[in-house]
Amino acid sequence: EDQVTQSPEALRLQEGESSSLNCSYTVSGLRGLFWYRQDPGKGPEFLFTLYSAGEEKEKERLKATLTKKESFLHITAPKPEDSATYLCAVLIGGSQGNLIFGKGTKLSVKP
Amino acid sequence: DAGVIQSPRHEVTEMGQEVTLRCKPISGHNSLFWYRQTMMRGLELLIYFNNNVPIDDSGMPEDRFSAKMPNASFSTLKIQPSEPRDSAVYFCASALGLSQFFGPGTRLTVL
Repeated sequence: EDQVTQSPEALRLQEGESSSLNCSYTVSGLRGLFWYRQDPGKGPEFLFTLYSAGEEKEKERLKATLTKKESFLHITAPKPEDSATYLCAVLIGGSQGNLIFGKGTKLSVKP
Repeated sequence: DAGVIQSPRHEVTEMGQEVTLRCKPISGHNSLFWYRQTMMRGLELLIYFNNNVPIDDSGMPEDRFSAKMPNASFSTLKIQPSEPRDSAVYFCASALGLSQFFGPGTRLTVL
């Protein structure tokens, strides 16, 4: 069964304390892995797409990496405005559009 | 740029009533997706369209749910009759390539 697992479920950081979020997947035929940010009461906001192992993408304090079995979202020197739930999703080979989402990691950054 | 537009943003209705959720995708996008988000199950795909044609509706929970896309700029998700277990946030997303962009969602409460 295709599965996406995110860890930890929740993460509390002090401002400036770097860390990483994990997304592990068990799927057949990965076509792409996606990271989204979701603020309370809003829709998921697209961050990155990764297509193959070894690929990396960066945006401000965020850096996403991909291996054959997992992806990491590295947050460098986070700020309180980085607080949100970060969702990982995978698009599998047999599907034209069916994203399988993980349950997310709720990040809180304290000043 | 206008993103994905959804209406209404909030809907409160009584069990047995018909509910219609509306979505306007980003102009030029050719794929449209309907998702449901709950605390228990996270984000789940209900149905998606490509060039206005339904491609995969395997996520639609039962016959009470139906979706249409009469043209490239409008889609509806209808629940008839509604039940309390349908209470959730419903998101619409659109895409041109593989990366999907989400609307703000409709929070549905069925009493």
